Amino acid sequence: EIVLTQSPATLSLSPGERAALSCRASQSVAYYLAWYQQKPGQAPRLLFYDATTRATGIPARFSASGSETDFTLTINSLEPTDFAVYYCQQRSNWPLTFGGGTKVEIK
Amino acid sequence: QVQLVESGGGVVQPGRSLRLSCVTSGFTFDSYAMHWVRQAPGKGLEWVAVMSYDGGNTYYADSVTGRFTISRDNSRNTLFLQLNSLKVEDTAVYYCARGGIVLVPAALDYWGQGALVTVSS
Repeated sequence: EIVLTQSPATLSLSPGERAALSCRASQSVAYYLAWYQQKPGQAPRLLFYDATTRATGIPARFSASGSETDFTLTINSLEPTDFAVYYCQQRSNWPLTFGGGTKVEIK
Repeated sequence: QVQLVESGGGVVQPGRSLRLSCVTSGFTFDSYAMHWVRQAPGKGLEWVAVMSYDGGNTYYADSVTGRFTISRDNSRNTLFLQLNSLKVEDTAVYYCARGGIVLVPAALDYWGQGALVTVSS
């Protein structure tokens, strides 16, 4: 199965700062990577699919890039509502796999 | 609007069984593959199983193969997960989620709020 490694595990930032989250795949997933946001007590929310395509209703301060094995989720000018855990997920092969998550916390 | 509502969670002893349901609305249920994803307390997300739009094909995670069974009733817009031979390590919140129209690996665009399954003696 494809292993996704997210880094860092925790990112401590202040509102207004820029966050850059990394997701690396153990083998190429082409562009078949998605990003999710999860807040405490809530279900995950799809942010991006196919590496760079923003899901419905996702603000423009979120952007995503990458291909093959290296992917990045960027959040420009963090807002209080953005502090959460972010997961990447590959859809290149079965089984679907998720990264271990990056927690973006308030510094 | 799209809604997915899970039910059927609870506390169960190791070795026993449980059946989860996910009632959906707001979209054409019988056009989409549907998934189950779980999350152990304080841990990350783990994909569990998927069923094609017509119920004809399924895939499972190795960790649940032979113990869990995914099914659906398109006449009731409902997805199920039968959990048998439960283990302590199956303790998690179980989410149902919508996949793609065809049964290929997909991003999951809508999720339910989850049902907590606790396996404990």
